[in-house]
Amino acid sequence: SQQGEEDPQALSIQEGENATMNCSYKTSINNLQWYRQNSGRGLVHLILIRSNEREKHSGRLRVTLDTSKKSSSLLITASRAADTASYFCATDAGGNQFYFGTGTSLTVIP
Amino acid sequence: KAGVTQTPRYLIKTRGQQVTLSCSPISGHRSVSWYQQTPGQGLQFLFEYFSETQRNKGNFPGRFSGRQFSNSRSEMNVSTLELGDSALYLCASSLVGAGGSRQFFGPGTRLTVL
Repeated sequence: SQQGEEDPQALSIQEGENATMNCSYKTSINNLQWYRQNSGRGLVHLILIRSNEREKHSGRLRVTLDTSKKSSSLLITASRAADTASYFCATDAGGNQFYFGTGTSLTVIP
Repeated sequence: KAGVTQTPRYLIKTRGQQVTLSCSPISGHRSVSWYQQTPGQGLQFLFEYFSETQRNKGNFPGRFSGRQFSNSRSEMNVSTLELGDSALYLCASSLVGAGGSRQFFGPGTRLTVL
């Protein structure tokens, strides 16, 4: 079974608004990564947060990690139409296995 | 540096046939991972190769196999194709492995099984 699940499955917002998506996972992890995928294409790495970190920023992205709740959130501020994509969390639970979540489909309306 | 390349980009096969997909990682990357993406199952880990050795394998039948060459290029093979094997197959390369560092993904190979 997949390690992570994203919530919500789909999100539609107006340009300029913030978008928040959440990821829950099942077992202890070494780190958690977020990826973006534009329709039917390869994934693009956004950010990696290690298990001993609680928050990380990269440009308009803010990621939090709560290992006690086994959850992470990705916040995209001041969204743009170009942010329209699917967003996946991915976890490394050791043993070189790597699990992707179910994904959140984000639509930013111009 | 050139990105991860995958060939072919699109492939149509019939049930029972076999197929080989190729992935060339970013220069210097020794880890190559393969994933299957379908609308129903999402992104699923197939296997990872590091320095020509398979380090781990996902929960897929033995019809799915792979290998890695000394130049880190990797191939995956699917034998006796089934309709359910229709999917986008993605490979990703990284310096030390899937979980330990960011992965760089190729554009994928879209396989359709008729």
